[in-house]
Amino acid sequence: NAGVTQTPKFQVLKTGQSMTLQCAQDMNHEYMSWYRQDPGMGLRLIHYSVGAGITDQGEVPNGYNVSRSTTEDFPLRLLSAAPSQTSVYFCASSYGQGLNTEAFFGQGTRLTVV
Amino acid sequence: SQQGEEDPQALSIQEGENATMNCSYKTSINNLQWYRQNSGRGLVHLILIRSNEREKHSGRLRVTLDTSKKSSSLLITASRAADTASYFCATVLTYKLSFGAGTTVTVRA
Repeated sequence: NAGVTQTPKFQVLKTGQSMTLQCAQDMNHEYMSWYRQDPGMGLRLIHYSVGAGITDQGEVPNGYNVSRSTTEDFPLRLLSAAPSQTSVYFCASSYGQGLNTEAFFGQGTRLTVV
Repeated sequence: SQQGEEDPQALSIQEGENATMNCSYKTSINNLQWYRQNSGRGLVHLILIRSNEREKHSGRLRVTLDTSKKSSSLLITASRAADTASYFCATVLTYKLSFGAGTTVTVRA
């Protein structure tokens, strides 16, 4: 199994540009989430989804949109990129809705906004 | 703000020694999880301990949980060079997994 796949691995954007970070999982997990990791900090939750058609905000949702039209995919959209969004982004999935089992993480997308 | 806080921030030990790191958190939890992150890579799940459990073992890992003190500890016994990584505790409440800033462990050969 591929697990959690994130694309692209690296991206450079200009301020004001928009883009979508892709995340796909092949484990039929209901729960999916997006995090950002900044130097010296742990992961901070951006948005999460407990199933297709259901999304909710995390700790740092401003500037990001998500949708969950299928169980497998959970794209993260940056509406108008800002230098403050320079970070490493991780997607994760977990069996069930309640995070009662381990989360599986993708390898990350390193985003630089100039 | 982050839920968990690891202590120490960094730890350097000799191969074969034990490594202990602590995590304190602020609110009630459903469970607490520990993850490892090798440089530049994604996180890998190590162990999950539920709020009604006090201790759990997995191979060379031992995790304790004290909900009255809102704290947890991770012990890695007989450390190896491959254990060099950052370790994060993460608390689960409702649908949110909240991470601390992590402990960076360096195992010297």
